[in-house]
Amino acid sequence: AQSVTQLDSQVPVFEEAPVELRCNYSSSVSVYLFWYVQYPNQGLQLLLKYLSGSTLVESINGFEAEFNKSQTSFHLRKPSVHISDTAEYFCAVSDHQAGTALIFGKGTTLSVSS
Amino acid sequence: GAGVSQSPSNKVTEKGKDVELRCDPISGHTALYWYRQSLGQGLEFLIYFQGNSAPDKSGLPSDRFSAERTGGSVSTLTIQRTQQEDSAVYLCASSLAWDRGRSPLHFGNGTRLTVT
Repeated sequence: AQSVTQLDSQVPVFEEAPVELRCNYSSSVSVYLFWYVQYPNQGLQLLLKYLSGSTLVESINGFEAEFNKSQTSFHLRKPSVHISDTAEYFCAVSDHQAGTALIFGKGTTLSVSS
Repeated sequence: GAGVSQSPSNKVTEKGKDVELRCDPISGHTALYWYRQSLGQGLEFLIYFQGNSAPDKSGLPSDRFSAERTGGSVSTLTIQRTQQEDSAVYLCASSLAWDRGRSPLHFGNGTRLTVT
């Protein structure tokens, strides 16, 4: 069965600092990988996804994540964060086989302060 | 267009009572998920429906929890004999299951359940 581990439950950073939110997954088959974000008082929404091809994927707001098959990781990074990036971030995995559920990690709360 | 709709948005119930939570997915989405979100536990998978296939119930925490999806559309999550530990936000999501990669999960705003 698949599982997702987000190693940090809380990540406090100052504005304009770089950040990395870590995600490791466990699966014996090929996977799709996702990062979802939940801003304060809002619903969950997709931030970025890895399906196949290039292992580095980017979002429209400057986040990027790199799929590392050997380390079974999909860490999320941003070189310079803004106050508005304060949110809870969830890593998720599903395998390529139809009929399997999307499994989420426990989430990482990113708090950006000035 | 219309998104995923959940009702009620808030539900307060007494311990021991049964509750029903409703989800209307996006029209045409064949996959429907229920998750539970609580402090410190993140997003916990409960149950997954895909088309006419048997649902994946592997995430249901006890036999007090059950869910149905009628006509491949609306879904109801039922919790019997509620306990205080059932208090959480229950999230429903839907997607085009045939292309999981290109169609992300669309989440509803959730039902906040409080068991007193």
